[in-house]
Amino acid sequence: AQSVTQLGSHVSVSEGALVLLRCNYSSSVPPYLFWYVQYPNQGLQLLLKYTTGATLVKGINGFEAEFKKSETSFHLTKPSAHMSDAAEYFCAVSINNNDMRFGAGTRLTVKP
Amino acid sequence: NAGVTQTPKFQVLKTGQSMTLQCAQDMNHNSMYWYRQDPGMGLRLIYYSASEGTTDKGEVPNGYNVSRLNKREFSLRLESAAPSQTSVYFCASTEAKHSYEQYFGPGTRLTVT
Repeated sequence: AQSVTQLGSHVSVSEGALVLLRCNYSSSVPPYLFWYVQYPNQGLQLLLKYTTGATLVKGINGFEAEFKKSETSFHLTKPSAHMSDAAEYFCAVSINNNDMRFGAGTRLTVKP
Repeated sequence: NAGVTQTPKFQVLKTGQSMTLQCAQDMNHNSMYWYRQDPGMGLRLIYYSASEGTTDKGEVPNGYNVSRLNKREFSLRLESAAPSQTSVYFCASTEAKHSYEQYFGPGTRLTVT
């Protein structure tokens, strides 16, 4: 089965600094990859997704991620962190419609 | 368009009690899912329903049952709650024809004492 590893359960950055959240996956077939964001006491909201085609994917709120097959990675970046980015972020991989696997999550803290 | 709704938002049960978590979606999606979220473990799939009238086990089905009442509604039942079932439960749905993107409800926070 496919799986996801998120490196770093907590990441702290200063406002205006680069955000980099790491995600590595394993899959026996070409995967679909996702980043979701969860704000306190809310459900998950899709940030961006990779299905096929262009490997650099742009999402909402200025986030982007690059699918690197050779590195089995799908890291999430944002050039300049904002206080409102503080949340928990989940990377997920899916190879069919009924088996999406989530990483353990990375909590992002943004310091003023 | 409310998306995915869940009731209740919070629930406290005593060990051995039963309850049903309700989920409904108004997006005409075919597939629906129940996940549990525990600290440091991400989300794990309990059960899913690929279409009305079908249900299948996910990664952690023990202690749970589900019913796909119609295309809109998918309920999760705990017959005899245990402290290990203390968790946040999320319902999700997807169209199934596109890119597997799932839409999530706001969650139910369940505590079993």
